[in-house]
Amino acid sequence: SAVISQKPSRDICQRGTSLTIQCQVDSQVTMMFWYRQQPGQSLTLIATANQGSEATYESGFVIDKFPISRPNLTFSTLTVSNMSPEDSSIYLCSVVPASNTGELFFGEGSRLTVL
Amino acid sequence: KQEVTQIPAALSVPEGENLVLNCSFTDSAIYNLQWFRQDPGKGLTSLLLIQSSQREQTSGRLNASLDKSSGRSTLYIAASQPGDSATYLCAALNAGGTSYGKLTFGQGTILTVHP
Repeated sequence: SAVISQKPSRDICQRGTSLTIQCQVDSQVTMMFWYRQQPGQSLTLIATANQGSEATYESGFVIDKFPISRPNLTFSTLTVSNMSPEDSSIYLCSVVPASNTGELFFGEGSRLTVL
Repeated sequence: KQEVTQIPAALSVPEGENLVLNCSFTDSAIYNLQWFRQDPGKGLTSLLLIQSSQREQTSGRLNASLDKSSGRSTLYIAASQPGDSATYLCAALNAGGTSYGKLTFGQGTILTVHP
């Protein structure tokens, strides 16, 4: 397994501002992903965080709104830009450990509320 | 496009009861199926991973089965306890995809075990 730490765990933000969420893993992982969980909904994949290159975004998500960095094998950031109340969600980092059985592990999530 | 459905949406049982949570998926070409637990406002905890070649997996009081041909998985919880109260999510990973972490999640079953 992997221990995944996310910061911040929660935040209240003003409309129009941006917030960066950090994800740190205690061991090297092959793949890192960012998911969103809107209130009362299940999870949706935002993008795959690629080490040293641009992230791969899913349909409906764009780099200008959700810029992602992954400078090394254990760390990634997701920025939610120019926030609106519709961005109020839990944002979760997930990883596939180097053992690579295909099992995904998730962080505790970052709960954002946009006023 | 893969679709995952979980039944029931909510379940309330007395402590000690054995129970079954159901998950169905429309595309049988999956790589694996994973069951998660989510406590309110928290991230996801991986419970069981079933590879496409497997029929079932067991961990303690939990047993998950997979029938690819019929597009179904079940999570069996024996001797339920109040601490089992949470939302249970199943998620399918499709074979042949370019994104290893692109799980398709069900909407979840909200389980309440009362003393």
